Amino acid sequence: DIVMTQSPDSLAVSLGERATINCKSSQSVLYNSNNKNSLAWYQQKPGQPPKLLIYWASTRESGVPDRFSGSGSGTDFTLTISSLQAEDVAVYYCQQYYSTPFTFGPGTTVDIK
Amino acid sequence: QVQLVQSGAEVKKPGASVKVSCKASGYTFNRYGVSWVRQAPGQGLEWLGWISCHNGNTNYAQKFQGRVTMTTDKYTSTVYMDLRSLRSDDTAVYYCAKEKDGSVFSPFFDHWGQGTLVSVSS
Repeated sequence: DIVMTQSPDSLAVSLGERATINCKSSQSVLYNSNNKNSLAWYQQKPGQPPKLLIYWASTRESGVPDRFSGSGSGTDFTLTISSLQAEDVAVYYCQQYYSTPFTFGPGTTVDIK
Repeated sequence: QVQLVQSGAEVKKPGASVKVSCKASGYTFNRYGVSWVRQAPGQGLEWLGWISCHNGNTNYAQKFQGRVTMTTDKYTSTVYMDLRSLRSDDTAVYYCAKEKDGSVFSPFFDHWGQGTLVSVSS
């Protein structure tokens, strides 16, 4: 199984400041056939299901604000919130869909400082 | 708009089975697979498996092989997840989730059900 790790476990950022979350996979999730990384990011607020933010490591889902961006390749990935807003307080998960079982990171909690 | 509406909360005893339903609407049902993902209280997300809503093919996480069965009803656009031999550590919210891209087996999920709490306790 591909193990996903995230860092930090939690972070507190001032409104308007940048938040950066890291995700690492235990093996590469880069598909050679299409040169895309099988990595998605989700946001989950309390009592709600997860919401897709980013897929193929850097493609923003329709309707997601452009302050959210994804980057990285191979085994190391980053989700950046360029200017934190109050509504971004949530837990963020990365997910690999390169091979089964599809696995998620343990989550990173983002809060306001 | 796309909606996935799940059945209500369940309380089960250890050793019992539970069947959770997920009724889809707002898109062409047989073009997209559906996965089931669970979340234990205060914990992260765990993928149980995937079913093709086109032909019923399944892919289960090895951890749940032999205990889980996923089926579809194309006439009602409903997906079912049956989990047997329940244990206390199966207590979780179970989500169905629609894959965004039905053309390749690359399940990442653009729509989720509201979740179904399954509680297992003696």
